[in-house]
Amino acid sequence: DVKVTQSSRYLVKRTGEKVFLECVQDMDHENMFWYRQDPGLGLRLIYFSYDVKMKEKGDIPEGYSVSREKKERFSLILESASTNQTSMYLCASSPQQGRAFFGQGTRLTVV
Amino acid sequence: GIQVEQSPPDLILQEGANSTLRCNFSDSVNNLQWFHQNPWGQLINLFYIPSGTKQNGRLSATTVATERYSLLYISSSQTTDSGVYFCAVEENNTDKLIFGTGTRLQVFP
Repeated sequence: DVKVTQSSRYLVKRTGEKVFLECVQDMDHENMFWYRQDPGLGLRLIYFSYDVKMKEKGDIPEGYSVSREKKERFSLILESASTNQTSMYLCASSPQQGRAFFGQGTRLTVV
Repeated sequence: GIQVEQSPPDLILQEGANSTLRCNFSDSVNNLQWFHQNPWGQLINLFYIPSGTKQNGRLSATTVATERYSLLYISSSQTTDSGVYFCAVEENNTDKLIFGTGTRLQVFP
């Protein structure tokens, strides 16, 4: 079975902190994605990556950056966390032209 | 960018009833997938269905790519079917996976 693992289930950070959310997949998938999910707004794409060191902006990249140094790991970085970044963050991976699989999600609260 | 709309937004059923969920998209896509998000937030991939019809137990899905829509059928619904159902499309010429607005399903005994 495909496994996508996010480093934390719940996270509380202070305004202005630098925050790292980590995601690891074990199926050698080319594509990896970061979404945030907010009530009433569905899943919105922040960034995705189609290969090592390659990244593309999604629909809401402002305030975020990403890193993909190894194929299995895709990191989401909040350079200076703000309260409006309190949300559920979801990571997914997929092969090219294949099914996407999600991690369990990280609920981030910025206080 | 591509727009993905789902209907109905909310659906309430009694156990045993059948239902059809719809996903419309505004442009050509590489593929389409259906997901179920359970009450604990986990997203489960139900179908990868760029075109045609697939069945998995009580669930089936049909995508008509030329007419830019997909349907998810749930037969003999059970309380465990409750949650939010999303469709997601991959934009042509990109690897972007864009999600629809979701259908919240509640099944009561």
